[in-house]
Amino acid sequence: KQEVTQIPAALSVPEGENLVLNCSFTDSAIYNLQWFRQDPGKGLTSLLLIQSSQREQTSGRLNASLDKSSGRSTLYIAASQPGDSATYLCAVKALSGGGADGLTFGKGTHLIIQP
Amino acid sequence: EAEVAQSPRYKITEKSQAVAFWCDPISGHATLYWYRQILGQGPELLVQFQDESVVDDSQLPKDRFSAERLKGVDSTLKIQPAELGDSAMYLCASRQRISAQETQYFGPGTRLLVL
Repeated sequence: KQEVTQIPAALSVPEGENLVLNCSFTDSAIYNLQWFRQDPGKGLTSLLLIQSSQREQTSGRLNASLDKSSGRSTLYIAASQPGDSATYLCAVKALSGGGADGLTFGKGTHLIIQP
Repeated sequence: EAEVAQSPRYKITEKSQAVAFWCDPISGHATLYWYRQILGQGPELLVQFQDESVVDDSQLPKDRFSAERLKGVDSTLKIQPAELGDSAMYLCASRQRISAQETQYFGPGTRLLVL
């Protein structure tokens, strides 16, 4: 059974710092990996999606990398801002038959950016 | 921009009562998912539909939970009877049929509190 682990569970940094969130998964047979953002009491917003054949994806100040063979992904946030404060979730989609493609999520990293 | 709609947004009920949640996916999205997110955890897949058919309900507690998508559009998730441990956020997501590479779009969720 696929397991996704995110480290750290919580992180608090001053505004303007660059930071890295880590995600690891136990089964490298994945279709893709996604990073989501979740604000308190809200749904999930997709930030970046990396296909299994890709190494990284970038969107603005966000960069996500994927090393499928080692079962790791990182989310790099440059020049952090207070508005980046949220919980960041990593999720993998497994290669499976029958069309089942639900995501397996980590527990998330709760990020606070101090003004 | 089209969004996944869910109602109610909040529900408080007593244990042993029945509750139902409704989801309306983005128009044209053939695949629909229900996830449960316990506080402090990542979402866990309960059930996946392709049109009106169930693709994966392996994690759905079938003794008390049921889900349907009769016309292949909107969906209802029911719990009967509710238990204290069912308190969680229930998230609905959808994606287009055409590309499995596309992200899932999440609704705002229904927060359930069982007393």
